Amino acid sequence: EPEVTQTPSHQVTQMGQEVILRCVPISNHLYFYWYRQILGQKVEFLVSFYNNEISEKSEIFDDQFSVERPDGSNFTLKIRSTKLEDSAMYFCASSEEASGSTDTQYFGPGTRLTVL
Amino acid sequence: DQQVKQNSPSLSVQEGRISILNCDYTNSMFDYFLWYKKYPAEGPTFLISISSIKDKNEDGRFTVFLNKSAKHLSLHIVPSQPGDSAVYFCAASGNTGFQKLVFGTGTRLLVSP
Repeated sequence: EPEVTQTPSHQVTQMGQEVILRCVPISNHLYFYWYRQILGQKVEFLVSFYNNEISEKSEIFDDQFSVERPDGSNFTLKIRSTKLEDSAMYFCASSEEASGSTDTQYFGPGTRLTVL
Repeated sequence: DQQVKQNSPSLSVQEGRISILNCDYTNSMFDYFLWYKKYPAEGPTFLISISSIKDKNEDGRFTVFLNKSAKHLSLHIVPSQPGDSAVYFCAASGNTGFQKLVFGTGTRLLVSP
């Protein structure tokens, strides 16, 4: 069964460093998302992406964050200058459509980002 | 901003019995609801969904009920199995274009043998 994959599974970085989290969405999906979950809190939407551009972003997704689909398979989240409060699980998701019954979002296993 | 609420942080059920997980929402623009199951250190796994035009959707042991007037949905698992022990998240999306999901805080289900 097709699945969303994410690398790395765990990333440790120093505050102020740049990190890139990578995702390979399900191959026939057209809509891509990033969410995060800070320990003990709910899963929060960060950004959605379609047709090579951001379609919606939350207030969490400030200028430190960017997303890119550099080729036909990868979808990346870059954090330019990490802060301690960026420590969280980051989940990538993809969906076939954006509305109706086929808009179910399928999630990857997540990348645990630890900022020291 | 708690548009999706799961008021029970935990639920314990015996194997073979029914598990009922509840979810309430406040935003009347939500029209698609999903339940995800999550194990520690893994991503949410899609379980079942329901569109606002329905009041029930069933898939094997899992049934989701939607009461639009009460802005309430529930997930029934019957019979419950020890492998069902996980955190269950309710999520909702609205008919406003690109569908960000709004998640509840989750309910930890423990099914004991």
